[in-house]
Parts: sequence; structure tokens; C-alpha cells
Amino acid sequence: NAGVTQTPKFQVLKTGQSMTLQCAQDMNHNSMYWYRQDPGMGLRLIYYSASEGTTDKGEVPNGYNVSRLNKREFSLRLESAAPSQTSVYFCASSEGRALEAFFGQGTRLTVV
Amino acid sequence: GQQVMQIPQYQHVQEGEDFTTYCNSSTTLSNIQWYKQRPGGHPVFLIQLVKSGEVKKQKRLTFQFGEAKKNSSLHITATQTTDVGTYFCAGRSNTGKLIFGQGTTLQVKP
Repeated sequence: NAGVTQTPKFQVLKTGQSMTLQCAQDMNHNSMYWYRQDPGMGLRLIYYSASEGTTDKGEVPNGYNVSRLNKREFSLRLESAAPSQTSVYFCASSEGRALEAFFGQGTRLTVV
Repeated sequence: GQQVMQIPQYQHVQEGEDFTTYCNSSTTLSNIQWYKQRPGGHPVFLIQLVKSGEVKKQKRLTFQFGEAKKNSSLHITATQTTDVGTYFCAGRSNTGKLIFGQGTTLQVKP
């Protein structure tokens, strides 16, 4: 099993460009998450999806949109990238609300 | 909203010394989880605590959940160079969101 797969692994964008970060899990998990990680800030939740068809804002949702396309996939879209969105983005999934989360390998995004 | 605070941010120890990181939540938690992230890697689940006052051990690691279920700690006895990384606690909100603390980065000098 691949677990949680994120694409791409690295990306450089110019300010104002848009892009979508892809995430897919093959563990049949209901819950999926998007986090960003910045030095000294830990992991901050951007968006959360408890199940297919539902999404909820996290701690830092501004500038992002998400789509829970089906149970496997949860994508994160930056409509107009800004330098402040330079970060490492992690997707994660868990079977339920009380169980451990499994993380993807991360996407390192630089906005210039 | 729910906040999870973790201290210290960094800790440098000599190999063989002990290490402790502390986690405090602004609200009562249904459970708390601990993760480890190696440099350049992704967070990996270590353990979950559910009961008030619960203590769990994994070899040299001891995890505690406070009586009020608002704080937790991770203690490593006799650190080794393989313990290097960032340790995160994470608490679940009542809507299922998993909120992480800022993490404690441990460096171990051989």
C-alpha cells in the first residue's frame, strides 16, 4: 500500500499564479487534512474533511480552497499564490475522529 | 478556537541525558496524540492517550495525560542520537479537527 500520496513534491510559483496540490490515500479513510508547516509554527491546519462531500476550515484557511473529490482524494488549491504561502504542505488521513493520522511525504512550495 | 501550546521550542542535550516536552491545551481534550518528525521527513504517529491520568511507556519514552485532560508530557530517558527530531502533540476538537502544538525540536550531541 502506498498510504498517502502527495503530488508534486516540489514546486516554484510566481506571485499570482494558481496551482492545485493533489493528495490521495488508499487506506479507505474517512477523514483527510491539509496542513502547512513553517519554521517555529508547527503544523497548522488549513482545511479538514470529515467525510466525502464535507469540508471545514481549519486554523489558517485564507487564500486556499479545497475539494474532497471522492473518498480517496482531497485537493488543495491556491488561486493566487503569495510569498506568504511559501511553506511545506502536508496531507494526512485518518480512519476516524479518534484514530491516528497518516501523513504524506509533503510538498515543498516556494512562491517568488 | 482550540489552541495547543508546546514547550520548549528547542532542546539540546548530551547523549545520555533525559528530555521532556510539555503540551497544554486551552480546552479539555477527548484524547491526545504524539508524533515524531525526523529532519526532512513527515510526522509519524507515536501514541494516543485517552484516559485522565493515563501513563504509557514505549521503551525509553514515557507519555502522560493530565488529570484534567488539558495537558500532556513526553519524557525520554537516556537520549540517543536516534531520538533526534521534532516531537509534536496533537489534540482533537469536538468537530474532529486535529490541532497540533508548535513542536519541540530535540538535538542530541554524541
